[in-house]
Amino acid sequence: EAGVAQSPRYKIIEKRQSVAFWCNPISGHATLYWYQQILGQGPKLLIQFQNNGVVDDSQLPKDRFSAERLKGVDSTLKIQPAKLEDSAVYLCASSLSRQMNTEAFFGQGTRLTVV
Amino acid sequence: GESVGLHLPTLSVQEGDNSIINCAYSNSASDYFIWYKQESGKGPQFIIDIRSNMDKRQGQRVTVLLNKTVKHLSLQIAATQPGDSAVYFCAENWSPHSGSARQLTFGSGTQLTVLP
Repeated sequence: EAGVAQSPRYKIIEKRQSVAFWCNPISGHATLYWYQQILGQGPKLLIQFQNNGVVDDSQLPKDRFSAERLKGVDSTLKIQPAKLEDSAVYLCASSLSRQMNTEAFFGQGTRLTVV
Repeated sequence: GESVGLHLPTLSVQEGDNSIINCAYSNSASDYFIWYKQESGKGPQFIIDIRSNMDKRQGQRVTVLLNKTVKHLSLQIAATQPGDSAVYFCAENWSPHSGSARQLTFGSGTQLTVLP
């Protein structure tokens, strides 16, 4: 079965610019997650979707970050405007259900560098 | 706040030896735990999981032990191989509020280096 697909793999932007990341989860997975992983740290949950609805976005910096999952499949995460501290790997993951006592499968991530 | 933490940030072992990676958690509501392996430039990869009604689970060359009394997890890797070199994360699955969606919270990770 195909895994979680993310693009682009790498992105370099200047501060105050905007950027968008794309994620295609595993077919049939209702739950989709975006994580931010700063170098040397564990992934931190930004937002969680169940189908096309937001289940948890309590840790998403809503003044600059936004995410959507139209049609309950693909998702995009946007940052506008970017700050230096946004430099990180952005990981997308999916799982079968919101209960999540099943494993989550991760994509390779998008490495963002803000200069 | 409550978090998952790891005792050692780095661990070096000789090829063929057994590795033990430890993890402490503080959230008593957590009832499902997962160990992930993350190689450089890749996303976390599932290794093994354990539910709170168990204290031990074995996979291929890996064993996870759960001690709920002291809120401690460990990952044991038998006959460690060069391909095992990676960062290992424990993650706990919990619900922040009654009826809310469950979250997967990661610790900071342990870098395992296998020496030839």
